[in-house]
Amino acid sequence: EAGVTQSPTHLIKTRGQQATLRCSPISGHTSVYWYQQALGLGLQFLLWYDEGEERNRGNFPPRFSGRQFPNYSSELNVNALELEDSALYLCASSPRGGQPQHFGDGTRLSIL
Amino acid sequence: DQQVKQNSPSLSVQEGRISILNCDYTNSMFDYFLWYKKYPAEGPTFLISISSIKDKNEDGRFTVFLNKSAKHLSLHIVPSQPGDSAVYFCAASEGGGSNYKLTFGKGTLLTVNP
Repeated sequence: EAGVTQSPTHLIKTRGQQATLRCSPISGHTSVYWYQQALGLGLQFLLWYDEGEERNRGNFPPRFSGRQFPNYSSELNVNALELEDSALYLCASSPRGGQPQHFGDGTRLSIL
Repeated sequence: DQQVKQNSPSLSVQEGRISILNCDYTNSMFDYFLWYKKYPAEGPTFLISISSIKDKNEDGRFTVFLNKSAKHLSLHIVPSQPGDSAVYFCAASEGGGSNYKLTFGKGTLLTVNP
C-alpha cells in the first residue's frame, strides 16, 4: 500500500512569490492535514481538509490556504512568501477525522 | 504557550537497556496521545497511541504510560536497539481521537549506542 506522497521534495522561492505544495493521501483516507515544521518550533498544525471542505485551521495568516480535490488529494498554497515561511511542510492523512495520522516525507520550502 | 512539552532535547542509552522518553501536557481537554518517530529526511512514523480512558498501552517493545492527574506520559522502549535512534515526538489531540489537529512537542533525540 502506497503511503502519503508529497511533491515537490524541495522548492526554492523568493520573497513575494507564491508556492504550491501537493499531497496524495493513503488510498481510502478522506482527511488530509498540513503541518509546518520551522526551525526550532516543532510541528505546527496548519489546516485540515475532509471531503473537500476545510474543517479546521491553525493560527496562520490567510495567505496560507489550500484545497482538497474530489480524489482527496490536496494542495497547500502560500502567497506573498516571507523569509520566515522557510520550513518543512508535512502532509498527513487519516480515515475521516480519525487517528493515527500518517505522514509523508514533506516538502522543504526555502525562501531566498 | 506550549501545550505539549518534551523537556529533554536528547537522550543516550546503551543497546539492550531501557529507553524512557517523557512528555508533559497542560491542556486538560487532551484525551488522545500518540508517539511518532522521525528519521532524518523522512516524515514522522506513527509508533503507538493511548486514549485517556487507559493508563497503559503496549505494542511489542514499546509501552506508553499515561498519568492523567500529573498530565504526564512516557514511552518505554525495551530493549533498545541501534535502529531506534531517531527523534521521538509526543502528540496530543482533543475530541476522543476523532479530532483533527495534533499538537506536538518539540521532540527528543534518542541515540542508542551499540
